[in-house]
Amino acid sequence: AAGVIQSPRHLIKEKRETATLKCYPIPRHDTVYWYQQGPGQDPQFLISFYEKMQSDKGSIPDRFSAQQFSDYHSELNMSSLELGDSALYFCASRFKGGLNTEAFFGQGTRLTVV
Amino acid sequence: AQSVAQPEDQVNVAEGNPLTVKCTYSVSGNPYLFWYVQYPNRGLQFLLKYITGDNLVKGSYGFEAEFNKSQTSFHLKKPSALVSDSALYFCAVRDAFSGYSTLTFGKGTMLLVSP
Repeated sequence: AAGVIQSPRHLIKEKRETATLKCYPIPRHDTVYWYQQGPGQDPQFLISFYEKMQSDKGSIPDRFSAQQFSDYHSELNMSSLELGDSALYFCASRFKGGLNTEAFFGQGTRLTVV
Repeated sequence: AQSVAQPEDQVNVAEGNPLTVKCTYSVSGNPYLFWYVQYPNRGLQFLLKYITGDNLVKGSYGFEAEFNKSQTSFHLKKPSALVSDSALYFCAVRDAFSGYSTLTFGKGTMLLVSP
């Protein structure tokens, strides 16, 4: 079965650079979530989209932005990168039509800021 | 606000013995509860969920979890642990009546199964 696809899997950037992470949800899933997991930490919710509209916002810095496109894929744009942005970034998708459906996670993008 | 507590940073168990990974939750409405497992450098894999119905939920790889409303707990269990079960386990909660509600995760519990 198709899973959530994230690209790239690994990314190394320098401080103050920008990065774009991509997420391709499971087909027919209409909701996308972004999470940030620092070393040894639990996943922290950043932002979510439902039907291409932002639906919820968590602890996403102002330097970050995200959107969901017409084909339901989502991109997380990160600017003025800081060392503390180094983390594993997960995307998850869910079919919101069923309230009791679980979210499925991608493999994550490991971002290293040097 | 919703929250999850996993009181143990690490659980050690010998292969073949039963295991329990603890989770308690707090949510304003009724909870949807989930367990995810994370292997090193991998994504979160869904194990099982409680939505409604039977308090004992069976999931993947022989895992099960028991929902206890009075104790607001959702402990993960397995009758006989395998070395390959060694991984990081996350409990998560979502408010049942909020369609936009996001998953809130616990801090995670590292399960180490020794041969």
